[in-house]
Amino acid sequence: EDQVTQSPEALRLQEGESSSLNCSYTVSGLRGLFWYRQDPGKGPEFLFTLYSAGEEKEKERLKATLTKKESFLHITAPKPEDSATYLCAVQARAGNMLTFGGGTRLMVKP
Amino acid sequence: GAGVSQTPSNKVTEKGKYVELRCDPISGHTALYWYRQSLGQGPEFLIYFQGTGAADDSGLPNDRFFAVRPEGSVSTLKIQRTERGDSAVYLCASSRTPGTVEQYFGPGTRLTVT
Repeated sequence: EDQVTQSPEALRLQEGESSSLNCSYTVSGLRGLFWYRQDPGKGPEFLFTLYSAGEEKEKERLKATLTKKESFLHITAPKPEDSATYLCAVQARAGNMLTFGGGTRLMVKP
Repeated sequence: GAGVSQTPSNKVTEKGKYVELRCDPISGHTALYWYRQSLGQGPEFLIYFQGTGAADDSGLPNDRFFAVRPEGSVSTLKIQRTERGDSAVYLCASSRTPGTVEQYFGPGTRLTVT
């Protein structure tokens, strides 16, 4: 059974204080690993797809990396508008559904 | 262009009633997915459509849940004899094709069963 665990559950940062969010996964043949951002009362917003170990993707202050067992979402010099829940999901080669972790709730204080 | 839309945005119903939730995917997207998200948790897969047919309904919790997509575009999730445990946000997503492509989510329908 595919499984995704995210840590920490919640993270409080001061504006400008860089940090990383962790996503550990087990999957029977990884087709892709996805990062989403979710604001309160809204649906998940797509950020990145990673396909193989060693791959990295960047978007503004966010950088996602992938190993064979985990992915990290690095946040450099965050701003209050980066406050949201960040969701990690995996897709197995055998299916099309996404299996999500529980998310990390990020709060950035000015 | 327009994103995935879902109606209603909120639905309050009494235990035992029947409800229908609607999803309008991004135009041209052939794959459509339903997920359910409980408070403080990540979304959980319910059902996946490729075209008009349900290609994978392994996530439907029981036979009170049913979904259709008769013309390969709009989909309706139907819940019979609602229970308080069905209260959650129901999310719809679509993707251009199945496989390793991004799934774009709608805003969700918040269902409350009293």
